[in-house]
Amino acid sequence: GNSVTQMEGPVTLSEEAFLTINCTYTATGYPSLFWYVQYPGEGLQLLLKATKADDKGSNKGFEATYRKETTSFHLEKGSVQVSDSAVYFCALTSPTETSYDKVIFGPGTSLSVIP
Amino acid sequence: KAGVTQTPRYLIKTRGQQVTLSCSPISGHRSVSWYQQTPGQGLQFLFEYFSETQRNKGNFPGRFSGRQFSNSRSEMNVSTLELGDSALYLCASSLAGGYGYTFGSGTRLTVV
Repeated sequence: GNSVTQMEGPVTLSEEAFLTINCTYTATGYPSLFWYVQYPGEGLQLLLKATKADDKGSNKGFEATYRKETTSFHLEKGSVQVSDSAVYFCALTSPTETSYDKVIFGPGTSLSVIP
Repeated sequence: KAGVTQTPRYLIKTRGQQVTLSCSPISGHRSVSWYQQTPGQGLQFLFEYFSETQRNKGNFPGRFSGRQFSNSRSEMNVSTLELGDSALYLCASSLAGGYGYTFGSGTRLTVV
């Protein structure tokens, strides 16, 4: 079945450091890939997405590129801020005949950014 | 537009009791999915409802059930609560199944 693997952390960075969170997936067919973010005490928010190979999703300075050859979707940001401290989830869903299947999430990576 | 609303936000129940959680999706969204989030197991899919029909189901015991009403609001019920059911229960609505989820803030259930 489909699955998502990501580095679990916790990751601690200084403000303005470069961020990479690795994510790899296993799926049949052509899944859509997502990064979600969860701030303390809240639900998940969609951060960015990519629906086909070589697509690059971007939002709020974060980027991720859908690499089918390496089955990866690594999250990057050039300069993190304290406000980026949160848990980040890599996820995927596959199209069905009429809709999209349930979303499979990775275990999440906790990021702490210190001033 | 209003987001996904989950009620209540916090709940404390005793082992053996039952509980009902509610989710109001974004207007126009007919798909509602439920997830359980725990520190040990992460985010686990419970079930998805679409137009009042259960379309997808995860690997949870029969004590976990749900339903969806004609206005797309959904409820999930857990009977005979166990300590291990303590978790954050998240609801997500969408137009098209797993694509374009919008999550609610969740219901934090504590079983004592």
